[in-house]
Amino acid sequence: NAGVTQTPKFRILKIGQSMTLQCAQDMNHNYMYWYRQDPGMGLKLIYYSVGAGITDKGEVPNGYNVSRSTTEDFPLRLELAAPSQTSVYFCASSPIGRAGMNTEAFFGQGTRLTVV
Amino acid sequence: AQTVTQSQPEMSVQEAETVTLSCTYDTSENNYYLFWYKQPPSRQMILVIRQEAYKQQNATENRFSVNFQKAAKSFSLKISDSQLGDTAMYFCAFMKSNTGKLIFGQGTTLQVKP
Repeated sequence: NAGVTQTPKFRILKIGQSMTLQCAQDMNHNYMYWYRQDPGMGLKLIYYSVGAGITDKGEVPNGYNVSRSTTEDFPLRLELAAPSQTSVYFCASSPIGRAGMNTEAFFGQGTRLTVV
Repeated sequence: AQTVTQSQPEMSVQEAETVTLSCTYDTSENNYYLFWYKQPPSRQMILVIRQEAYKQQNATENRFSVNFQKAAKSFSLKISDSQLGDTAMYFCAFMKSNTGKLIFGQGTTLQVKP
């Protein structure tokens, strides 16, 4: 039972480069999220999705894009990386709305991204 | 907009003692959930305890319990018989029922001393 899987675990990017952070869940959860955690701080919501084909902005969406073509996958795209995007990125999923399921978020292990 | 505030950046407790972490939140919603997550040095986010706003009874999970004061919008976490493995950053989080978005506090770093 893999849960939420994020790849890569670590990455160093140069300013202006682009990359995609991958996230997959095998729990058939409808809700998925991307958060960023800056040093010593709480998590801030970047984007979220309530199901395949539906995405919406969170608190800090600028500089990021997402897509949700399947229930399982929710990749996060960084275009033109900037030092301000140096952070730890967490993907999460939740079975919200499913009868009998607890409402909690399951998190991946995180991706530590450094932009230099 | 909802906000979550944890006013204690750092706390410490002796092994086997009890410690309480504070959390307050602001919302005009009536249906929501509150959570405490633990983040050890491994970085993994681990759910500690969950509280449904419509339930008056405080949630408990083994050594962890909450004091949920809905009118005061307060949601504190009590850790009894603290263990070295409880050393971690603890986050309080709010989830509005019909959106599923989690809003986190700034976190409290807890150090359990032997």
